Amino acid sequence: DSGVTQTPKHLITATGQRVTLRCSPRSGDLSVYWYQQSLDQGLQFLIQYYNGEERAKGNILERFSAQQFPDLHSELNLSSLELGDSALYFCASSAKARVGGEKLFFGSGTQLSVL
Amino acid sequence: EDKVVQSPLSLVVHEGDTVTLNCSYEVTNFRSLLWYKQEKKAPTFLFMLTSSGIEKKSGRLSSILDKKELFSILNITATQTGDSAVYLCAVDDRGSTLGRLYFGRGTQLTVWP
Repeated sequence: DSGVTQTPKHLITATGQRVTLRCSPRSGDLSVYWYQQSLDQGLQFLIQYYNGEERAKGNILERFSAQQFPDLHSELNLSSLELGDSALYFCASSAKARVGGEKLFFGSGTQLSVL
Repeated sequence: EDKVVQSPLSLVVHEGDTVTLNCSYEVTNFRSLLWYKQEKKAPTFLFMLTSSGIEKKSGRLSSILDKKELFSILNITATQTGDSAVYLCAVDDRGSTLGRLYFGRGTQLTVWP
């Protein structure tokens, strides 16, 4: 158990809908990262928050947004869902702002299926 | 274009075999390379390498980095069925967006009894 908690584990929804994925980082970790993993793309970095502030942005679509709350949990909002958004979404945490020199701890992921 | 390329994509071996997984990378300003093991869901950390030529070992797993040739290998000796997983290589590029790790697509290792 990495100490990173993600909910829900599975989510099935229809195209055009909006969903929210939730992540609680390890105790004491200030950084939260969101990754998307699909069969043909591997792990793709979406966005990082550090202590409530957006720190880095990757290949995140405009239909997606995220935030980190004062209690350090984070939510990833996906809207106007398309079939291609079906993927495994991971949250990871680390103690520092910069990932270099420090390993990430991953949650078990949320499997999103868009029908 | 992928900055981190892993090979092979898939590998099937029998228990007791030794395997070598490869990871080559091309980043602006290398900082570190990490190996993760992904079984059912969450990737779990194996090694972090920052210096060339220093082998990291954990039981039957070992890894080494060659910063000059821009690659790393992960060796698993005396494989067991429990080693079956996807092995991910990730590279931290100091020159990229803060906080971004570039992941390879992984090597799917299957160990048959």
